[in-house]
Amino acid sequence: SAVISQKPSRDICQRGTSLTIQCQVDSQVTMMFWYRQQPGQSLTLIATANQGSEATYESGFVIDKFPISRPNLTFSTLTVSNMSPEDSSIYLCSVETGNGYTFGSGTRLTVV
Amino acid sequence: KQEVTQIPAALSVPEGENLVLNCSFTDSAIYNLQWFRQDPGKGLTSLLLIQSSQREQTSGRLNASLDKSSGRSTLYIAASQPGDSATYLCAVISVGSNYKLTFGKGTLLTVNP
Repeated sequence: SAVISQKPSRDICQRGTSLTIQCQVDSQVTMMFWYRQQPGQSLTLIATANQGSEATYESGFVIDKFPISRPNLTFSTLTVSNMSPEDSSIYLCSVETGNGYTFGSGTRLTVV
Repeated sequence: KQEVTQIPAALSVPEGENLVLNCSFTDSAIYNLQWFRQDPGKGLTSLLLIQSSQREQTSGRLNASLDKSSGRSTLYIAASQPGDSATYLCAVISVGSNYKLTFGKGTLLTVNP
């Protein structure tokens, strides 16, 4: 299965600022997925990132708030923009390689 | 719309016990079901993947079963250890979902020494 390197592992940010999260995969994959896990909740899909096209966002998530880049088949970034305390969550990237889904180690974001 | 339910929400057992975690899903049209483990504040670690045509999968002390027609899966953990303490998440990929995962809310397992 694929190995994903995600960073940063955690950050504490001031409200109104932005944070960019990076995921690097050790193999080429068509789709990368970005999830949010709010405190005490399960995972919610934010968007699907395809190389060479705009990301596809789920209901309730918009590109202005969560811009995504996918410059090649092994890398993607998610930016959390104009942050508020409600954005405090764990953010995770994921890929599917034909043997189930693999997740990154997560980014624990606290907005103060 | 697919919904995944995990029971119990939390479970506390003494070390050495065998235990079962339950997962149910409302739409039996799935490609596969995957069990994950999540330690506090961390990412997800894949435990077992069961394809829709399979009945069970085993890895070490873990055994996962799938009854697709009834919309149920169980994760059996044998001889539990304190290191098994974590949240266990069940997720399915439904037909027609564009290969997106639908997660349950998880079961928080505590194994006491």
